[in-house]
Order: sequence, then C-alpha cells, then structure tokens
Amino acid sequence: ILNVEQSPQSLHVQEGDSTNFTCSFPSSNFYALHWYRWETAKSPEALFVMTLNGDEKKKGRISATLNTKEGYSYLYIKGSQPEDSATYLCALYLEGNKLVFGAGTILRVKS
Amino acid sequence: EPEVTQTPSHQVTQMGQEVILRCVPISNHLYFYWYRQILGQKVEFLVSFYNNEISEKSEIFDDQFSVERPDGSNFTLKIRSTKLEDSAMYFCASSVVGRPGYGYTFGSGTRLTVV
Repeated sequence: ILNVEQSPQSLHVQEGDSTNFTCSFPSSNFYALHWYRWETAKSPEALFVMTLNGDEKKKGRISATLNTKEGYSYLYIKGSQPEDSATYLCALYLEGNKLVFGAGTILRVKS
Repeated sequence: EPEVTQTPSHQVTQMGQEVILRCVPISNHLYFYWYRQILGQKVEFLVSFYNNEISEKSEIFDDQFSVERPDGSNFTLKIRSTKLEDSAMYFCASSVVGRPGYGYTFGSGTRLTVV
C-alpha cells in the first residue's frame, strides 16, 4: 500500500512569517502530485498539480516544488496571512484515476 | 466559479438503513469520484466513474456500495445497509478529463452519521 506522509502534522505561525511543509512518498510509479487547500466546512481546493521531476509551481505567495527521485514535495507560503489558515493536503495520482492522500498539515496563522 | 454541489450536508441514519448521497458535478466534467474521510483518518478513494461505468474501485467499495448517474446532472452514491463504520465525511469530485495533469474539483462533503 502506497503511503503518503505529510509533516508537520500542524503548524502555528505568526502573520508575516514564511513557512513550508513536506509531502513524502516512495519513489515509485505515480503520474502526478496534487496539493489541495482545505478550509473548515468548505471543499478542498486544488492548488497545484505537478507532474515532472523538478517541477516548480507558483500562485501568488504560495509555491511548490517536486523531487520525484528522492520522493518529496515542498509547499512554501511566503508572508503567511490569517486567511492562509487551512489544512493542506497532498495526494499522489495513480493509475486508475485515483488519488492517495496524506494526512494533511494543519496551518494556523495568528494575527 | 463552477462548483460541485453535494446534498445533504449532514445525514443521520439508523444502522441497516439505506442512504443515498447526492452530487451534482461540474457540467462539462467527464470523470466523477467518491472519496471519504473517517474522523481522524486520511481521505480515501472509493470509486471513479466514467462513461456511465465504474472505472476503478477500492477494496472499501464492496457490494453494499453502488454509484449511479441517473440523469445528465446527478451522480449518486448508495449504501444499501449502513454500518456504524460507514460514518464518515463523503466527498464527491469531478475532473474534466482523467489525466494526471488535471486537478479535481471537490464538493464540500456530506457528513454521514450512522447510529
């Protein structure tokens, strides 16, 4: 069974701090890595879909990198804001159009 | 922004009863999915659906589960005889195509409580 690990489990930062978290996975066959942002009582929202080793994606203050050879992806948030508070999920896209999720990193940004 | 709509947002049912969870995917999406998250656990895949057929299902998706697209807009998940362990948040999702480079659009979930 493919295991996707995310660390840390939770993170509390001050407004303005930059932060990053990790998604680790076995370097085995998968087709893409997805990052989702999930606010309480809302639907998970796609942030990035990454398919290639060395991929880097950016959306505003949030960026992500992918290293398929060593089996990790980093998500960076620059200058965290209270509205960034959410659970950040990573998931591997496997054959059969299915996602295998990590447990998520809960981010709380204090103003 | 197009949304995936799920109803109801919360359902409480007696053990052994049948439940139907409803979803309206995004209209031009072709692939549909159900996922669930048991409290304190990871989000896990249940089933994917394309062209009116199941394309992939997990070990969780046994004979008690079924999916249907009864018309051009709705996508339903039926649990025939609910068990306590079916209590979870159920998410519907859709994607425009079934290719790795495309993200999913998720609904906000139905919280199913089996008592």
